[in-house]
Amino acid sequence: NAGVTQTPKFQVLKTGQSMTLQCAQDMNHNSMYWYRQDPGMGLRLIYYSASEGTTDKGEVPNGYNVSRLNKREFSLRLESAAPSQTSVYFCASSEYRRGGLDTQYFGPGTRLTVL
Amino acid sequence: AQSVAQPEDQVNVAEGNPLTVKCTYSVSGNPYLFWYVQYPNRGLQFLLKYITGDNLVKGSYGFEAEFNKSQTSFHLKKPSALVSDSALYFCALPRGSQGNLIFGKGTKLSVKP
Repeated sequence: NAGVTQTPKFQVLKTGQSMTLQCAQDMNHNSMYWYRQDPGMGLRLIYYSASEGTTDKGEVPNGYNVSRLNKREFSLRLESAAPSQTSVYFCASSEYRRGGLDTQYFGPGTRLTVL
Repeated sequence: AQSVAQPEDQVNVAEGNPLTVKCTYSVSGNPYLFWYVQYPNRGLQFLLKYITGDNLVKGSYGFEAEFNKSQTSFHLKKPSALVSDSALYFCALPRGSQGNLIFGKGTKLSVKP
């Protein structure tokens, strides 16, 4: 059981380049999330997918798009990277999204630097 | 609006001493509260949660948290700290009925031998 996996682990982009961060979970969870972590700001939700086939904006969605490819996979795309998107990105999943009752399981993160 | 606050950026403790990491919250109604831990260069791991019932919640790795409704607090505690407990600790609560977690800014715990 790998849990939540993310690729790549590290990435350096130039301003204006695009990339997709991949996330997969093998726990048969229905809900998946993308967060960014910045120093002194905790984690902020970018997008989430309550169930396969649905996606919704979180707290900081600007500059990002997501795709819930199937029940296992949830990708995050930066169409035109900006230095403000330099951050550590975490994917997470939970069985359901029932009023916050369900524990979220996190991947190891992707460290992204935009020059 | 719901919010969670961790008033200390860093907590320093000697190994073997008790530790407390503070969290206060603001929410209408009964809160659901979580603690997560992040070890260096790792993702967050669930420690414990308060849903209802006993005000003292026991979690992983010997941690526990005390829910105090009158003080709107949910402090994380451990009777005897280990060097391996050194990590970043996050308090969190769900945003309304949507279920998406609001995280505090995190408290860095440093346990020295």
